[in-house]
Amino acid sequence: QKEVEQDPGPLSVPEGAIVSLNCTYSNSAFQYFMWYRQYSRKGPELLMYTYSSGNKEDGRFTAQVDKSSKYISLFIRDSQPSDSATYLCAMSSLIQGAQKLVFGQGTRLTINP
Amino acid sequence: SAVISQKPSRDICQRGTSLTIQCQVDSQVTMMFWYRQQPGQSLTLIATANQGSEATYESGFVIDKFPISRPNLTFSTLTVSNLSPEDSSIYLCSAAAGGGGGTQYFGPGTRLTVL
Repeated sequence: QKEVEQDPGPLSVPEGAIVSLNCTYSNSAFQYFMWYRQYSRKGPELLMYTYSSGNKEDGRFTAQVDKSSKYISLFIRDSQPSDSATYLCAMSSLIQGAQKLVFGQGTRLTINP
Repeated sequence: SAVISQKPSRDICQRGTSLTIQCQVDSQVTMMFWYRQQPGQSLTLIATANQGSEATYESGFVIDKFPISRPNLTFSTLTVSNLSPEDSSIYLCSAAAGGGGGTQYFGPGTRLTVL
């Protein structure tokens, strides 16, 4: 079983829709939870970063963490064609003195005008 | 946030040769990392580049194949040695944001094709 599971999609929705992206994890040692956006042929870009269970909002993006269920989500409201990208969840734990990231497989998202 | 650049952005190499990838950060950072991203796949950590000491490699990655240098707090190199077509991938460096939270900022990646 992978430490982090993410549905690879692809996911295609019309412009303006609410998008829900999800990851589950098995390692209780994960402390920090992140979402990265990766456009084609670019490096991952940090979108959201959370530590505790609950919701964190930033503009059209909301990150949700449920540590009891080992489940995290990213919601995108009023989705735009420019949101079309691969979204990667990532989680970190302290290993040998360094916070190391484990990534999900990534979900390829397309927003259709 | 840190701005990270990588050189080269892409390269095509012959089997058996080596490629060295450079990573430059615009500010001093404690932790730098090297990842591999195979086509259509997620990121896999190769090693942590430690300033002033040997890199720390993840399971499945060895120093002879992926030697890493970290001469100062803003620069690191990754060499992929004795190239084979299986090494064709995107190689990414990252820098930890600090603050202990584990967030990392990534470079644009180096796309390597081995013929």
